Amino acid sequence: EVQLVESGGGLVKPGRSLRLSCTTSGFTFGDYALTWFRQAPGKGLEWVGFIRSKPYGGTTDYAASMKGRFTISRDDSKSIAYLQMNSLKTEDTAVYFCSRGMGSITIFGVIIGIPGWFDPWGQGTLVSVSS
Amino acid sequence: QSALTQPRSVSGSPGQSVTISCTGTSSDVGGYKYVSWYQQHPGKAPKVIIYDVSKRPSGVPDRFSGSKSGNTASLTISGLQADDEADYYCCSYAGSYWVFGGGTKLTVL
Repeated sequence: EVQLVESGGGLVKPGRSLRLSCTTSGFTFGDYALTWFRQAPGKGLEWVGFIRSKPYGGTTDYAASMKGRFTISRDDSKSIAYLQMNSLKTEDTAVYFCSRGMGSITIFGVIIGIPGWFDPWGQGTLVSVSS
Repeated sequence: QSALTQPRSVSGSPGQSVTISCTGTSSDVGGYKYVSWYQQHPGKAPKVIIYDVSKRPSGVPDRFSGSKSGNTASLTISGLQADDEADYYCCSYAGSYWVFGGGTKLTVL
């Protein structure tokens, strides 16, 4: 069974840092992109960023509002993805989900290592940023 | 990075059909075939029910169907069941990022 389990959430003061982990099992981790999303209390889903699989360079992309503060990394030997969050703001308060990237986006017939959809999702971990 | 536009709520009786729209622009929904839909029950993780505009993952009933016309994607749920009551989110690739709709709460009367 494919599983993703987020951990590392908690209460943190503004300006501080936090690292979330996404521990996976049930699939060949190195073959897939991993993506992070978040959901503020009572709000909708928001894409945070993702990391490609190593065959596609293992590079990352981020939502504009998080670029420069958030960093995604992966340890294929442990089947874990990480989300390092620095300079946290109160508006970063949310449940953070990780998900396996599925399918592959093609541009002019070229596979570019970006997933087209996301499945499954972990249960999420709550990050609360407050003084 | 503007959100896609979904109705805040829709409702229907058991056995009926409902359609949820998702309107974007030519830079997201209208420009790519990578629209997906996610179902989220309260306190639970989202679950994909449609990907690539109209494809269903294994295990998702054929009561769920997706389509797209221009800049608007749609999710249709036929033969409504009580367990379909949930929040539904559309998601589209937008060239270098993904954008979601604000979510639609489906109430089964």
